Amino acid sequence: AQKITQTQPGMFVQEKEAVTLDCTYDTSDPSYGLFWYKQPSSGEMIFLIYQGSYDQQNATEGRYSLNFQKARKSANLVISASQLGDSAMYFCAMRDLNSGYSTLTFGKGTMLLVSP
Amino acid sequence: NAGVTQTPKFQVLKTGQSMTLQCAQDMNHEYMSWYRQDPGMGLRLIHYSVGAGITDQGEVPNGYNVSRSTTEDFPLRLLSAAPSQTSVYFCASSSRESPNQPQHFGDGTRLSIL
Repeated sequence: AQKITQTQPGMFVQEKEAVTLDCTYDTSDPSYGLFWYKQPSSGEMIFLIYQGSYDQQNATEGRYSLNFQKARKSANLVISASQLGDSAMYFCAMRDLNSGYSTLTFGKGTMLLVSP
Repeated sequence: NAGVTQTPKFQVLKTGQSMTLQCAQDMNHEYMSWYRQDPGMGLRLIHYSVGAGITDQGEVPNGYNVSRSTTEDFPLRLLSAAPSQTSVYFCASSSRESPNQPQHFGDGTRLSIL
């Protein structure tokens, strides 16, 4: 069975600093996709970044980048130059082979607090 | 540009009552799914559908029913509400043709069972 592990229940960072949110995964599927979502206090799920297992380069989207280490089965989210608006819950997720890739398996999330 | 629309946004029920959470998407997505979010648990899959007329169970299906009569709609039914079903419910959709595209989520329904 697929599994996503986020070991940091909470993280604190000062504004303008970089922060890394950890995500490890377990799957027997050689072809998989990893996603990061942000959930602010207002509750909506916001897609941030995607990494495919066969992508040659680490994904980047503005201030977000993915530190993808396939051999270690880790896909850590790096947020550069943190802003107060980055305070939110962050979820790592993987496309679920068991549902024919039609759903996601989520980690339990990491709460990020950015201080001035 | 509506995307995924969930109604209602908030609901309070008494134990034993029934209700239907509505979900509609206007992106012609084949895949639709329901998740529940509980504190410290992340999002867990309840039921999902890969197309009209096709549904299947996820990780936590007990106490919930679904049907998919059209591509656009995927309602979630609670037949006899229990306090353990107090949660935030998210509906999501995605395209079969683009596996690297993200799931699109509705804004969620916050449900309390007394």
